[in-house]
Amino acid sequence: QQQVKQSPQSLIVQKGGISIINCAYENTAFDYFPWYQQFPGKGPALLIAIRPDVSEKKEGRFTISFNKSAKQFSLHIMDSQPGDSATYFCAASPTGGGNKLTFGTGTQLKVEL
Amino acid sequence: DTAVSQTPKYLVTQMGNDKSIKCEQNLGHDTMYWYKQDSKKFLKIMFSYNNKELIINETVPNRFSPKSPDKAHLNLHINSLELGDSAVYFCASSHHDQMNTEAFFGQGTRLTVV
Repeated sequence: QQQVKQSPQSLIVQKGGISIINCAYENTAFDYFPWYQQFPGKGPALLIAIRPDVSEKKEGRFTISFNKSAKQFSLHIMDSQPGDSATYFCAASPTGGGNKLTFGTGTQLKVEL
Repeated sequence: DTAVSQTPKYLVTQMGNDKSIKCEQNLGHDTMYWYKQDSKKFLKIMFSYNNKELIINETVPNRFSPKSPDKAHLNLHINSLELGDSAVYFCASSHHDQMNTEAFFGQGTRLTVV
């Protein structure tokens, strides 16, 4: 059972465009929602994270939108750049869960010139 | 300075062998993890240790045995390797608190069982 569902599986965006990746979760105990970025041959690295007490968080070109009632959250990458080409994972974990991250299935983003 | 370091980066071995992957973190974190990333890039937690105590143990074959000699190290020993164990294994670390904090990942160990 996939507790965090992520879409799309792959995404091609033109340079300067907006990349949007969506995730949905089932476990209502989840209350921490990070996004990780992974480049080939590297480990995942935290990009941005949100807690359910806010509906949006922005850091530079990256924004998380969070809809608690729908149990959905999404990552928006504004002004996408070729250097953003990577695999993006949404994740979720519950408070007191030992920081156990449940990951989505990943989205391979390619930003073309 | 590498925050979470794993060795080796690549490991090719035959079925039936026993192998170990080492992990060390210099971030002063009290919690360490092992994650497995399969060929479809799906990441799944295997184990978590807090201050050398096992706190998360997902449904992992008992051929996998983590060992934490101190809170800066978490090694993974795998007995009787099988073809299906081929994957990238990531070590990670974080502070263990009630509010969840960033987990820092190592570079990964690509294990290939032939």
